[in-house]
Amino acid sequence: EVQLQESGPGLVKPSQSLSLTCSVTGYSITSNYWGWIRKFPGNKMEWMGYISYSGSTSYNPSLKSRISITRDTSKNQFFLQLNSVTTEDTATYYCARYGGSAFDYWGQGVMVTVSS
Amino acid sequence: EIVLTQSPTTMAASPGEKVTLTCLASSSVNYMYWYQQKSSASPKLLIYYTSILASGVPDRFSGSGSGTSYSLTISSMEAEDAAIYYCLQLTSTPYTFGAGTKLELK
Repeated sequence: EVQLQESGPGLVKPSQSLSLTCSVTGYSITSNYWGWIRKFPGNKMEWMGYISYSGSTSYNPSLKSRISITRDTSKNQFFLQLNSVTTEDTATYYCARYGGSAFDYWGQGVMVTVSS
Repeated sequence: EIVLTQSPTTMAASPGEKVTLTCLASSSVNYMYWYQQKSSASPKLLIYYTSILASGVPDRFSGSGSGTSYSLTISSMEAEDAAIYYCLQLTSTPYTFGAGTKLELK
């Protein structure tokens, strides 16, 4: 079974970088697409970007100057880095697989608070 | 960017009641996707390609629509259906979600 698990610090200071890891089991990240999605307090959902099976990336233009998604195929993990965070980046962050038809498998999510 | 507008924002339904949620797109999309999210759980895929039920989803859920207008219908509300429902478009990046409809049990 495909499983995804996010990990990373739950608290980040303003102006610093947010770094999260998504560990995938049961499926190789060298297939399909792998994305990051966040949910803000108040329930708004935002697609942040994805990394493809080949390593190419696509980002939400609203984040393009601050975001980077990379991967380590040897560990079957992919990563999110978001630079220069503000309190508006406080959210629950999810990693998910785009299985060809939809984002079908999701991690449980990690809550990240940006605060000094 | 394609903006998705969901309605209603919040609603309550009685057990057995038929529920219809709407998602309007600011530009035509190829398909609509629907997710259900309960409290702190991760979103669960309900419907993809507008009308195809994801694995394990009860058949009281159905989806329809085309172009800029889509809907999710629950034929007979059950207590376990109380949740937030989101529509999602994957036609063009940035992929975008609707603001969600909170469905409560009356």
